[in-house]
Amino acid sequence: DSGVTQTPKHLITATGQRVTLRCSPRSGDLSVYWYQQSLDQGLQFLIQYYNGEERAKGNILERFSAQQFPDLHSELNLSSLELGDSALYFCASSPQEGLAGDEQFFGPGTRLTVL
Amino acid sequence: GQNIDQPTEMTATEGAIVQINCTYQTSGFNGLFWYQQHAGEAPTFLSYNVLDGLEEKGRFSSFLSRSKGYSYLLLKELQMKDSASYLCAVTPGGGGSYIPTFGRGTSLIVHP
Repeated sequence: DSGVTQTPKHLITATGQRVTLRCSPRSGDLSVYWYQQSLDQGLQFLIQYYNGEERAKGNILERFSAQQFPDLHSELNLSSLELGDSALYFCASSPQEGLAGDEQFFGPGTRLTVL
Repeated sequence: GQNIDQPTEMTATEGAIVQINCTYQTSGFNGLFWYQQHAGEAPTFLSYNVLDGLEEKGRFSSFLSRSKGYSYLLLKELQMKDSASYLCAVTPGGGGSYIPTFGRGTSLIVHP
């Protein structure tokens, strides 16, 4: 158990819908990272927040957005869902802003299925 | 950009030794991670190399050659529970962001 929690564990929805994934980092960690993992793409970095502010952006679609709240939990919002958005979504956390060599602690993931 | 190559799948026998290779081409370099990921579960940290050479940690060792853009993960005394995907991830250099780029992973199957 990494100490990172994610809800829900599974989510099944229809195309065109909007969902919100939630992540709570390890106690004391200030950075939260979101990743998407699909069978054909591997683990893809989406976005990082550090102490409430956006810190780094990866291959995140415009239909997706995220935020980090004052209590440091984070939410990833996915809208206008498409079949191709079906994937495992992982949240990870680290103590600081993400220095070289910083280990990331991954949550158990949310499996999103878009029908 | 970043390019990371790992074999897609490997098989090995319980009790044996297996070496999983990773080659990379990146714009700058600030270290290489190995993570283990069991099917449907979260990746977990195994090792981090930033200098050339071998780092040993129990049954697992990781090697890095920066000049060759090459790393390997060595697993000794294989156990059935080592069946998992092994992800190589490279941290780029400069630009103020140290987000690692992950390879697609090597699925290791350990059989009796």
